[in-house]
Amino acid sequence: DQQVKQNSPSLSVQEGRISILNCDYTNSMFDYFLWYKKYPAEGPTFLISISSIKDKNEDGRFTVFLNKSAKHLSLHIVPSQPGDSAVYFCAARFGNEKLTFGTGTRLTIIP
Amino acid sequence: KAGVTQTPRYLIKTRGQQVTLSCSPISGHRSVSWYQQTPGQGLQFLFEYFSETQRNKGNFPGRFSGRQFSNSRSEMNVSTLELGDSALYLCASSSPGTSGGKEFFGPGTRLTVL
Repeated sequence: DQQVKQNSPSLSVQEGRISILNCDYTNSMFDYFLWYKKYPAEGPTFLISISSIKDKNEDGRFTVFLNKSAKHLSLHIVPSQPGDSAVYFCAARFGNEKLTFGTGTRLTIIP
Repeated sequence: KAGVTQTPRYLIKTRGQQVTLSCSPISGHRSVSWYQQTPGQGLQFLFEYFSETQRNKGNFPGRFSGRQFSNSRSEMNVSTLELGDSALYLCASSSPGTSGGKEFFGPGTRLTVL
């Protein structure tokens, strides 16, 4: 049972444009959501997070949007840069329970 | 602060053997989680240890086990290795209340089973 889903395995975006990565979840108990970025041969690095009491959180070029009614999370990267090319994982948790990860979306920024 | 470290970085084993992977968390972090990453499967949760006690466990067979020491360092053991155990094994540490629910990952151990 995949409680966190990233339905797009890959995404290609032109440099300078907006990248939008999507994530859907099924467990309405999740109260904290995170995005991680992963380069090959490295561990995931934390990017940005959002609590369920908010619907938007912004950090520089990265903005995460949460739509609780739709159980949908998205990450916007503006403007996209070549160094953003990586695999992006969304993750969710409830309280002190384990983090549940999606399967990842490979983002490729085209120069 | 130094980050999460994992040893070894690469490992090649044959079927039937066993393996032990090691993880040192960020100083002050008492929670250590282990994940398996395989292509197309994302990060599959193995288990979490907090203060030397297993707090959460994923859906993996009993061949996968772990432990945590008093200094928060953790080891993961896989016995009777199978070809399907080839994966990147990631360790993550966190500190409830101070890391804001975020987990910080090590670089991983790439295990290849032949």
